[in-house]
Amino acid sequence: QKEVEQDPGPLSVPEGAIVSLNCTYSNSAFQYFMWYRQYSRKGPELLMYTYSSGNKEDGRFTAQVDKSSKYISLFIRDSQPSDSATYLCAMSGGFNNAGNMLTFGGGTRLMVKP
Amino acid sequence: SAVISQKPSRDICQRGTSLTIQCQVDSQVTMMFWYRQQPGQSLTLIATANQGSEATYESGFVIDKFPISRPNLTFSTLTVSNMSPEDSSIYLCSVETSGATDTQYFGPGTRLTVL
Repeated sequence: QKEVEQDPGPLSVPEGAIVSLNCTYSNSAFQYFMWYRQYSRKGPELLMYTYSSGNKEDGRFTAQVDKSSKYISLFIRDSQPSDSATYLCAMSGGFNNAGNMLTFGGGTRLMVKP
Repeated sequence: SAVISQKPSRDICQRGTSLTIQCQVDSQVTMMFWYRQQPGQSLTLIATANQGSEATYESGFVIDKFPISRPNLTFSTLTVSNMSPEDSSIYLCSVETSGATDTQYFGPGTRLTVL
C-alpha cells in the first residue's frame, strides 16, 4: 500500500462544474498538506498549503483536511478549461534534519471541457 | 516563493553519454532537491543537496549514476551518467523556502529523451 493514494483519473467535467479531488494517506505524522498543479510539460506549481485539519479558501479553490480520517480534498468551483492539468497532493510531517520532505500522491489528471 | 530556472529545458541524448542539468535560484536557499518524474507518473525524490555537504541519496539512486554538485546557495547541478533509455524522464529541481509557506517550489523541469 502506498503512503499516499490518489485516483489517477482522468476526471472529465464540463466548464462551470464543481470539481472534487481527493487523497488518502496512512501516516498519522503528516501535518502539512499541499496541492500542486502541473500543466503539461511544466513543473509543479504550488496551489494550496494547509497545516493540520480544517479548511482553507483561495478564490475558486478550497482545501480541506480531515486528519481523523486521513483524507484531504481540493475543491474547484466554477471550473474553467484553464484548470485542465494534473493535480498532485503532497504532505509532510514537518521539518527535520533532512528538511521538509514531501510525500506525493500519484496525481489526478483533470480535463475541463468548454 | 522563489524563481527557479533549469537548463537545458529538454535534450535528446545517445545511450552511454552523460548530461548535466543546471538549476539556478533567484535567492539563497539551504535545501535543494532533485526529482525524477517518469511519463504519467508522480515525482520520485532522487537526492537532497545541501550547500557544503555531500548530497543525500534516496533508496535506488546512487552517486555514481547521479552525481550532484552544490557549489553555493543559489545553484546546483545533477548529472545523469552513462544514460540508457530507462533514464528518459523529466528531471526537476526544487528548493525549500521558509516563511508563510514552508514548502518546496519547483523549477520548470528538464525533459530528457535517451535513444
